[in-house]
Amino acid sequence: GENVEQHPSTLSVQEGDSAVIKCTYSDSASNYFPWYKQELGKGPQLIIDIRSNVGEKKDQRIAVTLNKTAKHFSLHITETQPEDSAVYFCAARPAISGGYQKVTFGTGTKLQVIP
Amino acid sequence: NAGVTQTPKFQVLKTGQSMTLQCAQDMNHEYMSWYRQDPGMGLRLIHYSVGAGITDQGEVPNGYNVSRSTTEDFPLRLLSAAPSQTSVYFCASSYRDGGNTIYFGEGSWLTVV
Repeated sequence: GENVEQHPSTLSVQEGDSAVIKCTYSDSASNYFPWYKQELGKGPQLIIDIRSNVGEKKDQRIAVTLNKTAKHFSLHITETQPEDSAVYFCAARPAISGGYQKVTFGTGTKLQVIP
Repeated sequence: NAGVTQTPKFQVLKTGQSMTLQCAQDMNHEYMSWYRQDPGMGLRLIHYSVGAGITDQGEVPNGYNVSRSTTEDFPLRLLSAAPSQTSVYFCASSYRDGGNTIYFGEGSWLTVV
């Protein structure tokens, strides 16, 4: 099955700096890569996703890049703000060809933005 | 606009007790699932359902039971609680067709002593 590794497990940055979280996956059949943000005491919430036919996707201060050959993808947060402090999960899922396709999550990165 | 609702939020159980975590969604999603979250292990799939009357095992199903009698509800039963089941549990739902976003509930913190 799929295995998703995520690094680092914790990350501290100064407010205004950039943060980068990296993930690798093992199953070449995976073609959908979402990122979830989990605030303290809450459930994870989708913040951005990318499909394997796209190399980069941006949404305001966040961006995700995908390198299919190397099987790794990254989350980039620019101009970090205290409200970006949370746990971030990457995930991978194979192509939907009918039926339920299980999503495999990384182990999470706790991001702390220091004011 | 409730989304995915889980109850209870917090629960303490004694070893050997049974209990049910409730989950309901109001988005008419076909898919529902239960995950557990443990430190350093991310989110692991316990059980999932692709529609009313259909359930299947995920990655860590042992010690848990599920049923799906309606589209809206997907309860998770702990048959005989063990300390290893101390965890945070998340119910989630998503559309079957064309939808990729998984919507999570706010979590249920379970401690087994």
